[in-house]
Amino acid sequence: GQQVMQIPQYQHVQEGEDFTTYCNSSTTLSNIQWYKQRPGGHPVFLIQLVKSGEVKKQKRLTFQFGEAKKNSSLHITATQTTDVGTYFCAGPNRDDKIIFGKGTRLHILP
Amino acid sequence: NAGVTQTPKFQVLKTGQSMTLQCAQDMNHNSMYWYRQDPGMGLRLIYYSASEGTTDKGEVPNGYNVSRLNKREFSLRLESAAPSQTSVYFCASGVGLSSYNEQFFGPGTRLTVL
Repeated sequence: GQQVMQIPQYQHVQEGEDFTTYCNSSTTLSNIQWYKQRPGGHPVFLIQLVKSGEVKKQKRLTFQFGEAKKNSSLHITATQTTDVGTYFCAGPNRDDKIIFGKGTRLHILP
Repeated sequence: NAGVTQTPKFQVLKTGQSMTLQCAQDMNHNSMYWYRQDPGMGLRLIYYSASEGTTDKGEVPNGYNVSRLNKREFSLRLESAAPSQTSVYFCASGVGLSSYNEQFFGPGTRLTVL
């Protein structure tokens, strides 16, 4: 069935370094959402991208939607300890219901 | 507004025992969802409800039943718990089923089946 694939599964970075996670689909997506889950917490919606080539920023976070609407990325500039957690992308399946990727777990080394 | 609430927060069961996980939302949302989260597996949809009175199977429904009691409440029942059902369970709600609608998650129930 429809899947959104996320890479990498885990990422360790030094505090202050940048971080990027990627989300890929074999089919065109009408939209994509990103969520963040802090350790021990629950997923929280961050943003939705809808347009081809769309770029949105939230402070140090930059979200991109590919031109073909088959991939997306989340880039964090100068990571901080508050960025620790798991980042999920979510896209629609054929029935227009959200399917979550398996997430990228970010660890920050002080 | 409390958002999405879940009870209990933690539960330990013995194999074969039954229990019901409760979920309620106060955002007047139409759609509600139950997910399980296991290490390395992301969020897997168990059941969902498009609106009061309707429920549908998700990706991993075996061993579970659900009830959409009213617009606010959506419960998940394990009739005969198995160790494979050890997981963190999240309830979520949204305005509607469309993928354009964001989902709001509850704090989760951490279930261990011995």
